[in-house]
Amino acid sequence: AQKITQTQPGMFVQEKEAVTLDCTYDTSDQSYGLFWYKQPSSGEMIFLIYQGSYDEQNATEGRYSLNFQKARKSANLVISASQLGDSAMYFCAMSGSGYSSASKIIFGSGTRLSIRP
Amino acid sequence: EAQVTQNPRYLITVTGKKLTVTCSQNMNHEYMSWYRQDPGLGLRQIYYSMNVEVTDKGDVPEGYKVSRKEKRNFPLILESPSPNQTSLYFCASSLQRTNEQFFGPGTRLTVL
Repeated sequence: AQKITQTQPGMFVQEKEAVTLDCTYDTSDQSYGLFWYKQPSSGEMIFLIYQGSYDEQNATEGRYSLNFQKARKSANLVISASQLGDSAMYFCAMSGSGYSSASKIIFGSGTRLSIRP
Repeated sequence: EAQVTQNPRYLITVTGKKLTVTCSQNMNHEYMSWYRQDPGLGLRQIYYSMNVEVTDKGDVPEGYKVSRKEKRNFPLILESPSPNQTSLYFCASSLQRTNEQFFGPGTRLTVL
């Protein structure tokens, strides 16, 4: 069965520092996708970044990058030069290939990131 | 404007009174999902739909029904709500399962 684990329930980081949010996953699918979403206190879900299991390069989107280590089954989100507006809940998610995972999408329990001024 | 809409945004109801939460997207997306969000548990998929008339169970389908008669709409039905279904519900859509999902604003449901 697929599983996503986010081991950091909460983190405090100083403004302008880089931060890494951990995500490990478990799947028997050969093809899968990994996502990160941000949920500010206002409640909406915002897509940040996507990594396909066959992508050879780590995905980057502005200040966000995904440190993808396939052998270790980890997909950590790195935020460079953190800003006060980065304070939010962050979720890692995975979609499978549709064979063992039956087209489900699963989410981790989330990490609450707080940026200190 | 490309968006996913949900109605109602807030609902307080009583045990056993059937309710429907509507979800509609205007992006011609094939894949649609319903999630519930509970503290400490993240988002859990209730049901998903790969296309019109194709739906399947997610991880927590008990007590819920869905239908996908049109591509744009994916209503969530609670035939006999119970207090343990008090939660924040999100509808989401994506071009396909492997693409980023666009989320609706959420529906906060309280079942007394």
